[in-house]
Order: sequence, then structure tokens, then C-alpha cells
Amino acid sequence: NAGVTQTPKFQVLKTGQSMTLQCAQDMNHEYMSWYRQDPGMGLRLIHYSVGAGITDQGEVPNGYNVSRSTTEDFPLRLLSAAPSQTSVYFCASRRNSQNSPLHFGNGTRLTVT
Amino acid sequence: SQQGEEDPQALSIQEGENATMNCSYKTSINNLQWYRQNSGRGLVHLILIRSNEREKHSGRLRVTLDTSKKSSSLLITASRAADTASYFCALSAGGTSYGKLTFGQGTILTVHP
Repeated sequence: NAGVTQTPKFQVLKTGQSMTLQCAQDMNHEYMSWYRQDPGMGLRLIHYSVGAGITDQGEVPNGYNVSRSTTEDFPLRLLSAAPSQTSVYFCASRRNSQNSPLHFGNGTRLTVT
Repeated sequence: SQQGEEDPQALSIQEGENATMNCSYKTSINNLQWYRQNSGRGLVHLILIRSNEREKHSGRLRVTLDTSKKSSSLLITASRAADTASYFCALSAGGTSYGKLTFGQGTILTVHP
């Protein structure tokens, strides 16, 4: 099993550009989520999904969209990138039990200039 | 949303010594989890302790939970240079939160050979 795969690993965008961060998991996990990690801020939840067709907002959803058309994929879209979105983005998944651990991808480092 | 507060922010020890990290929180939880992050990588789950448990062990790791004091500690015994990483506590609030995890800001552990 590959686990949670994120692409790309690195990305540089100009302000106003759009892009999609990809996340795929092959563990048949119902729950998937996106976090951003900034120095001194820990990890903050952006959006999450408890199954195909179901998404909800986390702590910092503004400027990001998600969709969940399949169990395996959970892309994160930046519609109009801003310098404040410079961060490291992590996708994570788990089974739908609250006592299941999260499995993380290796992250996408995004810089917005 | 509540977030765990970790203490200390940084810890530097010699190989063979024990390392203790603490996490405090303010509201009720369903479970508390500890994760490790090596530089430039995603987080890796270490251990989960449920709200009705007081202590758990996994290899050289020992986690305690005191719900009356709303605090947890992670003890790494006989530390090794390979334990150098950031360690995060994560809180699962339960209820209708779908087990969303909120992360603390982490403790940076450096183990000197």
C-alpha cells in the first residue's frame, strides 16, 4: 500500500493564480482531511470529509474549496492564491472511527509570491 | 476550537536520557493522540489514549492522561538520536465533531549522540 500520496511536493504560485493540490489514499478510509502547517501555529484543519459526497469546513476554510467524488481522492483547490496561503499542506485519512489514528501524506510546500 | 498546549516548546537531551513532554487542554475530550514529525515529513501516529484510560505503553513510549487536570504526558525512555523530531499532541473532542483532531504547537526534541 502506498498510504496517502500528495502531489506536487513543491509549488510556487503568483498571487491570484489557482491550483489544485492532489491527495489520494489506497486504504479505503472514509475520513479525509486537509491541514496547513505554519511556524508557531501547529497544524490547522482546513476542510474534512467523512465520505464520498460529504465535505465540511474546518478551522481555516476561507480561500479553499474541496470536493469528494470518490473514496480515494480529496483534492484541495486554491481559487485565487494569496501570500497568506504560503504554507505546508498535509492531507490525512483514517477509518470513520473516532478512535482511529490519522495517516498523513508527506506534504506539499506551497509558496505564493 | 480547543487546542492542546504543549510544554516545553523545545527540549535538548543526551542519548540515553528520558524525555518528557506535556500537553494541557481546556475542554472535554474523547481521546488524545501523540504524533511525531521528522523534518520535512508528514506526521506519524505514535499512540492514542482514550478518555477512560489513564496510562498506555508502546515500546519505549509511555503516555499518561489525567482528565481531572486536563493534561497528558509523553515519556520517551532511553532516548536515541533517531528520536530527534517534533512531537505533537492532538485532541479528539467527540460528540458531533466526527473526531476532528486539533493539534498543539508541538515540542521540538533534540537528542545529542
